[in-house]
Amino acid sequence: GAGVSQTPSNKVTEKGKYVELRCDPISGHTALYWYRQSLGQGPEFLIYFQGTGAADDSGLPNDRFFAVRPEGSVSTLKIQRTERGDSAVYLCASSAQGANTEAFFGQGTRLTVV
Amino acid sequence: AQSVAQPEDQVNVAEGNPLTVKCTYSVSGNPYLFWYVQYPNRGLQFLLKYITGDNLVKGSYGFEAEFNKSQTSFHLKKPSALVSDSALYFCAVRDRNSGGYQKVTFGTGTKLQVIP
Repeated sequence: GAGVSQTPSNKVTEKGKYVELRCDPISGHTALYWYRQSLGQGPEFLIYFQGTGAADDSGLPNDRFFAVRPEGSVSTLKIQRTERGDSAVYLCASSAQGANTEAFFGQGTRLTVV
Repeated sequence: AQSVAQPEDQVNVAEGNPLTVKCTYSVSGNPYLFWYVQYPNRGLQFLLKYITGDNLVKGSYGFEAEFNKSQTSFHLKKPSALVSDSALYFCAVRDRNSGGYQKVTFGTGTKLQVIP
């Protein structure tokens, strides 16, 4: 596709449930990032993939959060035993190889845990 | 560790006046610097970046930014503000010497309000 696609755009789930958020990056982009944005805040880094491997997962808040990118393209962010504090907009971005390249963001998935 | 500071939560400017949104950064090496804009209920859109060379960088929608190494700043500017420029602006940094590691760190954002 022309841009980064994230599905679903909105997700409401009950506390304690499991959710999966999907990101389809720009074709050919090797780098993929997940960020979390709370209201009035800047994007908070969660995890970065280079190809299929997670190059840095230091931003994942705890072991309830996990992300995969098995074929080096689509990525899924998985959250187990959701808590109300997980409510936020989850942003995915992708970029071409190279530290001087800009990231292109999707529209985000708004997760609400009730 | 790398970080970005945007000291102003909100900037108000009259339509037609010049605008400046401030950003300072901290990296252990040399920086790549970026500005993004976010409209309500939208994702972040890339505006411009500083890689190397000329300290004045021009980007989308008439925006420009000036890299100042001695002040570790990368302020966003526009000569004449439009009401449609009203949005949330984020500055971001990546360490040039990250050895291929590409984590980008964002500031907390500045809300720009252009008053008709």
